[in-house]
Amino acid sequence: GAGVSQTPSNKVTEKGKYVELRCDPISGHTALYWYRQSLGQGPEFLIYFQGTGAADDSGLPNDRFFAVRPEGSVSTLKIQRTERGDSAVYLCASSLSGQMNTGELFFGEGSRLTVL
Amino acid sequence: GQSLEQPSEVTAVEGAIVQINCTYQTSGFYGLSWYQQHDGGAPTFLSYNALDGLEETGRFSSFLSRSDSYGYLLLQELQMKDSASYFCAFSNQAGTALIFGKGTTLSVSS
Repeated sequence: GAGVSQTPSNKVTEKGKYVELRCDPISGHTALYWYRQSLGQGPEFLIYFQGTGAADDSGLPNDRFFAVRPEGSVSTLKIQRTERGDSAVYLCASSLSGQMNTGELFFGEGSRLTVL
Repeated sequence: GQSLEQPSEVTAVEGAIVQINCTYQTSGFYGLSWYQQHDGGAPTFLSYNALDGLEETGRFSSFLSRSDSYGYLLLQELQMKDSASYFCAFSNQAGTALIFGKGTTLSVSS
């Protein structure tokens, strides 16, 4: 596709369950980012991949959160033992190289996670 | 630390001009980006200023003053479709991600 694709668009789960959120970036973009956005707030950085490796995971809130990008394209964000506070929209973004000299990221529409 | 401050809400009428200010605090500044986000939608890139001055893109312009740690987004000839949230953002100190402000909700009325 032409843009960043995220699935599912909506996910409702129960406290304590495991969830996976998928991101398919723009073809050819080596840099991939996960952000989390709560209502009325700006996107909050979680993790940055350059190719297959996590170049910066300093934004992951705790060890229940993990992300992979095994082939340098599609990425999966994994959340274990979900808590109600994990409810948010999880945004994925990609960019051509990861260089911040253009300030431009291409975002998907996000996966809305609701933990009951 | 790093922070960005912008007003939480701005209201205006169709056809008017509105300015959304952003002040920031950081070390190792690269430049200031602006994003638009409609309800339920993806943030979309509007502009980026690396150097001082005004950048114009159609009805939207963005300004940066590095010495004042200040920038703004100027929207002219407002239309109802401009009702959205607007975020300023800059690179984190490692140069690995953008840090976003809390956003300004713009409401345009007829």
